Amino acid sequence: GNSVTQMEGPVTLSEEAFLTINCTYTATGYPSLFWYVQYPGEGLQLLLKATKADDKGSNKGFEATYRKETTSFHLEKGSVQVSDSAVYFCALSDRGAQKLVFGQGTRLTINP
Amino acid sequence: GAVVSQHPSRVICKSGTSVKIECRSLDFQATTMFWYRQFPKQSLMLMATSNEGSKATYEQGVEKDKFLINHASLTLSTLTVTSAHPEDSSFYICSARDSASGISDIQYFGAGTRLSVL
Repeated sequence: GNSVTQMEGPVTLSEEAFLTINCTYTATGYPSLFWYVQYPGEGLQLLLKATKADDKGSNKGFEATYRKETTSFHLEKGSVQVSDSAVYFCALSDRGAQKLVFGQGTRLTINP
Repeated sequence: GAVVSQHPSRVICKSGTSVKIECRSLDFQATTMFWYRQFPKQSLMLMATSNEGSKATYEQGVEKDKFLINHASLTLSTLTVTSAHPEDSSFYICSARDSASGISDIQYFGAGTRLSVL
């Protein structure tokens, strides 16, 4: 079945550091790929998405490119801020059933 | 943006009692809502898909009689954990899809409910 594996955390960085959170997936067909973010005490929010190979999703300085050849959707940001501290979830959507399958989440802490 | 309200945020109950969790879409209509369960340091696991006006579709391994889902209106779905036991203690999260949006694969999430069964 479909599955998502993402980089284990927690990840701790200093402000302005470069961020990469790895995400790989296994799926039949052509899923849509997502990154969701969960700030403390809040629900998951969509950060970015990509629906087909080579698409790049971007939002708030974060980027991720849908790589079909490596079945990956790594999240990157060039310069992180303290306000980026949160838990990040990689997910895929089975287009037919439109169910979301999540990775285990990566807790990111940015220190000033 | 679209807001989903989930209530209560935290509940503590005695073993054998039932607990109801509400999930409301505040500014949009949702014919489809989803219920997830999250164990500590683990991923969100889809429990069931809730469809307005019809029976919920449960994922394999989820007990239908244990986790009752009702989606009686376009803005409200409820999850009732019946005869709760300590092993049901977990973090439950709902999400909703905006029926009117053409971007139908985006789900909007509630903040979750932490259930502790003593």
